[in-house]
Formats: sequence, C-alpha cells, structure tokens
Amino acid sequence: KNEVEQSPQNLTAQEGEFITINCSYSVGISALHWLQQHPGGGIVSLFMLSSGKKKHGRLIATINIQEKHSSLHITASHPRDSAVYICAVSPHNTDKLIFGTGTRLQVFP
Amino acid sequence: DARVTQTPRHKVTEMGQEVTMRCQPILGHNTVFWYRQTMMQGLELLAYFRNRAPLDDSGMPKDRFSAEMPDATLATLKIQPSEPRDSAVYFCASGSTRQGDQPQHFGDGTRLSIL
Repeated sequence: KNEVEQSPQNLTAQEGEFITINCSYSVGISALHWLQQHPGGGIVSLFMLSSGKKKHGRLIATINIQEKHSSLHITASHPRDSAVYICAVSPHNTDKLIFGTGTRLQVFP
Repeated sequence: DARVTQTPRHKVTEMGQEVTMRCQPILGHNTVFWYRQTMMQGLELLAYFRNRAPLDDSGMPKDRFSAEMPDATLATLKIQPSEPRDSAVYFCASGSTRQGDQPQHFGDGTRLSIL
C-alpha cells in the first residue's frame, strides 16, 4: 500500500464546476504539499500546510491531521486549471517528500 | 523571481554513455533534492542534501548513479553507465530549513532519453 493515496486518479469537469481532490496518508508528517504540473511542464507548489486551511484565489486546501486526510478544492473551475495535481507529504524530522500518484484533471469549456 | 535552474533541458544519448545533469539551486537555499518522474512510478526521491552534505540517497541505484554538491551553487547527478530504464524526467528542487513554512521550489526538469 502506498504511503500517500490520492483520489480520483482522473477527473473531468465542465467549466465552472466545483472540484475536489482527496489525499490520504499513512505516516506521521510535518507538512503536506499540493503541487501542480501542466502537461510537459514543470512542477509548481500550490500549498504547504500542517494544519487547518489555506486559500489562494480559487484554490482551497484543507488538512485534518487526526484523520490523516487533505483535500484540494477548486472553485469555478476553468480550462486553464487542467493539469495533474500531486499530493506529497514531508514525514517527521525530514525535508524529503513522498508523493501520491497524482490526479489528472481536465476542465472542458 | 528566483528560480531553480536545471541543465540540460533535454538529453538523448545511447546506452552506456555517461550522463551529467546539473542544478543551480535558489541562492540562499540550503536543501537540494533530486527526483525522478516516470509514467510507471510517478515521482520518487533519489537523493537530497542539506548544507551540501548528503542526507539520504536510498532511492538511488548506487552502482550507476552518483549525486554531489561541489559547492553551494551547483548540484550534479551523474549516471554511468546509462541504461534505457533510466529514461525519465529528472527534477531538482531546492528549499530552506531556515525559512520555516516555505515549500520546495522545483526546476523545469531534464528530460532524459537513453536509446
């Protein structure tokens, strides 16, 4: 079993829809990261969080440490949000990242 | 904007050849990471450094891969000899343990094809 599990693996949506991507992990962590990767592109860090909720524009990330679960929400989705979204965790006492397998999101006009 | 710079962006070579990938971390960052991304395995950590000292290279095949930081502005990842199964995108990332709640910054990657 992977230490970081994401769901769904693939997601399609119509422009304007509210989107949720889920991440569960099985190790103790110091932080959880949400990353974005466009096709053929580099990796951009969206959020780094260790508790509660963070918001940036139309993106919201939440984490429940007790349940070892995080969600990434996109409000009013847009075709430019089409990308792979990757959840990653930093285990306790280390800087390294353990990655989920990613969620491929396609938003159609 | 400060960026992590990786060279080359693309590399195609024949199996058995030596491959060297370079990374310039963001100035002031003291942690450097090498990751590999493949369709089958996704993203995996190969090695990481803090203050130029290697901390974890357990994800790296030791017989053919080596990672070094000759100075604070340069990290290298070498494969010798290269094999077709090494074909992947290799990402370098840097971060700072002195800046608390700050994420890693990724370079654009080196897309490696071994024929």
